[in-house]
Amino acid sequence: KAGVTQTPRYLIKTRGQQVTLSCSPISGHRSVSWYQQTPGQGLQFLFEYFSETQRNKGNFPGRFSGRQFSNSRSEMNVSTLELGDSALYLCASSSDGYLSGNTIYFGEGSWLTVV
Amino acid sequence: GENVEQHPSTLSVQEGDSAVIKCTYSDSASNYFPWYKQELGKRPQLIIDIRSNVGEKKDQRIAVTLNKTAKHFSLHITETQPEDSAVYFCAASMSGTASKLTFGTGTRLQVTL
Repeated sequence: KAGVTQTPRYLIKTRGQQVTLSCSPISGHRSVSWYQQTPGQGLQFLFEYFSETQRNKGNFPGRFSGRQFSNSRSEMNVSTLELGDSALYLCASSSDGYLSGNTIYFGEGSWLTVV
Repeated sequence: GENVEQHPSTLSVQEGDSAVIKCTYSDSASNYFPWYKQELGKRPQLIIDIRSNVGEKKDQRIAVTLNKTAKHFSLHITETQPEDSAVYFCAASMSGTASKLTFGTGTRLQVTL
């Protein structure tokens, strides 16, 4: 079965702009979470959506937001982009996301460069 | 919140040798500990995981051990091969927020011929 799919794979944006990233989870998975990966900060949890509701949130400013649709597909948005937002944004899906032990699968990520 | 420390940050071994990566966690409520391998430009891929009710788990050349009392867990790779070269991340999570993985800082493993 198809894995986690993210689009676009690469994008370049200018400071002050906003960006929307998309994620399609593995079929049947209802939990979608987002992570930011940078050389300096490593892999950091942004937020998690389950049944169209944000269930968990990391320590990121309100410029980072997301949503989930009824088919479990998710989008994340970053407004007023800053140079420090340049990162690999990873989407992950799992069947439940609540009970520990459900495998979390990552997509290939969206490489965002802010200039 | 949870904090995961990972050591070493880089590790170079000769082909055929063993490699060990160690992680410690701070929150005793954490009960799931996966290990991910990330090759350059690729997604993190789960290679092995362990739950808090188990002390050790093996999968061919890879094993993970967990010491709940000391709050640390380790990845062991035996008979290393060049294709094992990658960055390895440990992580921790707990029930209720299972999708919120707290990652270690990563270990860059290089297997030389």
